[in-house]
Amino acid sequence: DAKTTQPNSMESNEEEPVHLPCNHSTISGTDYIHWYRQLPSQGPEYVIHGLTSNVNNRMASLAIAEDRKSSTLILHRATLRDAAVYYCILRDPTINAGGTSYGKLTFGQGTILTVHP
Amino acid sequence: EPEVTQTPSHQVTQMGQEVILRCVPISNHLYFYWYRQILGQKVEFLVSFYNNEISEKSEIFDDQFSVERPDGSNFTLKIRSTKLEDSAMYFCASKTPRSYGYTFGSGTRLTVV
Repeated sequence: DAKTTQPNSMESNEEEPVHLPCNHSTISGTDYIHWYRQLPSQGPEYVIHGLTSNVNNRMASLAIAEDRKSSTLILHRATLRDAAVYYCILRDPTINAGGTSYGKLTFGQGTILTVHP
Repeated sequence: EPEVTQTPSHQVTQMGQEVILRCVPISNHLYFYWYRQILGQKVEFLVSFYNNEISEKSEIFDDQFSVERPDGSNFTLKIRSTKLEDSAMYFCASKTPRSYGYTFGSGTRLTVV
């Protein structure tokens, strides 16, 4: 599996934007970039994913570099509930007959985000 | 919003005993997974399960581990003879064929004493 590199920790103030970087210089053309987060004492939670274009959903935005060797998860206004470990994952491109992937997720250490009131 | 449900939330067992961790995946999901997280460490993949058979397993998933979908709704992880090093949070996850995201449960904390 291609490797990702994230800062160990980041801090933010409440209601400010947060940009969480991820480097993935060995990404292959078929790898999707996934972001998950893990709140304290919870299981991982899907946040967003993308392939080449920038993506937005109700939780966050994902900005993907043109060469796809890096990406940034953007939380537009951090809240205290956003304090979590954020994981950038390149999804194992195991494809089934339906064309979607069901391969395992390989988690790294992630970035611990602390949000200050 | 549909959830993956895991029971119990915390289980304490003696070394050498068998444990069964239970999960109820989301009803229309077809792919099922177990992961574990030792305290302070990364989330690690154990096994994936589809169409009533194991799709992939990690080197952690040795002969002491087994999975089963006994009744079409539950998905279980059995550890035959627990060791101290099996103490961890165990997370169940599930996925539909057409979605990109995986849905995780809140986990079962297994403590082996």
